[in-house]
Amino acid sequence: SQTIHQWPATLVQPVGSPLSLECTVEGTSNPNLYWYRQAAGRGLQLLFYSVGIGQISSEVPQNLSASRPQDRQFILSSKKLLLSDSGFYLCAWGTGLADGDTQYFGPGTRLTVL
Amino acid sequence: QKEVEQDPGPLSVPEGAIVSLNCTYSNSAFQYFMWYRQYSRKGPELLMYTYSSGNKEDGRFTAQVDKSSKYISLFIRDSQPSDSATYLCAMSGTGSARQLTFGSGTQLTVLP
Repeated sequence: SQTIHQWPATLVQPVGSPLSLECTVEGTSNPNLYWYRQAAGRGLQLLFYSVGIGQISSEVPQNLSASRPQDRQFILSSKKLLLSDSGFYLCAWGTGLADGDTQYFGPGTRLTVL
Repeated sequence: QKEVEQDPGPLSVPEGAIVSLNCTYSNSAFQYFMWYRQYSRKGPELLMYTYSSGNKEDGRFTAQVDKSSKYISLFIRDSQPSDSATYLCAMSGTGSARQLTFGSGTQLTVLP
């Protein structure tokens, strides 16, 4: 069965500091990978998605970036965090177009920028 | 207008009630319909998956899709306090709709 991991689970960072969140998937090959942000009491905002190694599409221009150095690894980064970057960050893997791109989510990282 | 509209609630019901959660959408290219359940401070988990129109039942949960009305529903029978969560609808299809589009979620509380 497939498993998706995210770490850290919780993070408190000062404004202007760098960020690196990591996501790994087990039990599947060549998955679509996604980063979402969820503000308190709000819906999911798609940030980045990737259909393969080194292939990143950005949905929202901002000070965040994503990379996919390996097939089942997806990293979300920032050089300088802003207060507005606080939120709940979710990684997901998707089954692709053949199955309606059904997505399965990780446990999330709660980021607080102070 | 958003592609997917979902009443945010909050919705409170007594234990044992039948719960109806709904989403409407505007893009006729949507063909795959999903419901996710998200407990507080957790990632969403896939609850139901339906392709095209019709009903699908899984235990106490029934998903309904009416493509002619662009309306989907999730029914929860004999609701339990453990069903208290936020429920997100999601859908995808072909062409411009091939990426999953989420509703904003409905917060449900089942009171014991």
